[in-house]
Amino acid sequence: QQQVKQSPQSLIVQKGGISIINCAYENTAFDYFPWYQQFPGKGPALLIAIRPDVSEKKEGRFTISFNKSAKQFSLHIMDSQPGDSATYFCAASIDGANNLFFGTGTRLTVIP
Amino acid sequence: DAGITQSPRHKVTETGTPVTLRCHQTENHRYMYWYRQDPGHGLRLIHYSYGVKDTDKGEVSDGYSVSRSKTEDFLLTLESATSSQTSVYFCAIRGTATTDTQYFGPGTRLTVL
Repeated sequence: QQQVKQSPQSLIVQKGGISIINCAYENTAFDYFPWYQQFPGKGPALLIAIRPDVSEKKEGRFTISFNKSAKQFSLHIMDSQPGDSATYFCAASIDGANNLFFGTGTRLTVIP
Repeated sequence: DAGITQSPRHKVTETGTPVTLRCHQTENHRYMYWYRQDPGHGLRLIHYSYGVKDTDKGEVSDGYSVSRSKTEDFLLTLESATSSQTSVYFCAIRGTATTDTQYFGPGTRLTVL
């Protein structure tokens, strides 16, 4: 049973456009929601993370929007660039981040 | 890759053989993790360690064992490899109980024939 459901599976965006990836969860005990970026042949790298006490967090072109009541969170990539082409994973955890549950990933392709 | 190395980086083995993957960190971090990554499943936690000789099971621990005799090394063992254990294995580390970020190593691609 997938603890965190992620969509879409793949996404193609024009350069300069906005990329949006969505995740949903059921376990209301989750209290940490990171997003990871992974390039081919590499390990995932933390991109941005949020806790449920805020509804939005922005770092550069990357923004997490969090809707606690709907149990959903999303990643927005503004002004998408070809270098953003990668696989993105959302995740959620409780208990000091030992049990980190990942979504199934979204392969983003940004077309020049 | 945050001072994490994994060895080997690639391995092909046969069903029924034992396999040990090694994760080595130079960060002196307390927490270490083993994940497997499979298409359609994302990353799933196999086992983790919260100190030397202290380990616990994750979501998909069946068929795997771990050991941690030194802070810097975390070993993952497949006692008798099966084709269903063909995957990419990632090690991750985390510094303290109040730090949430997990840093991942470069991965080991394991193929079980």
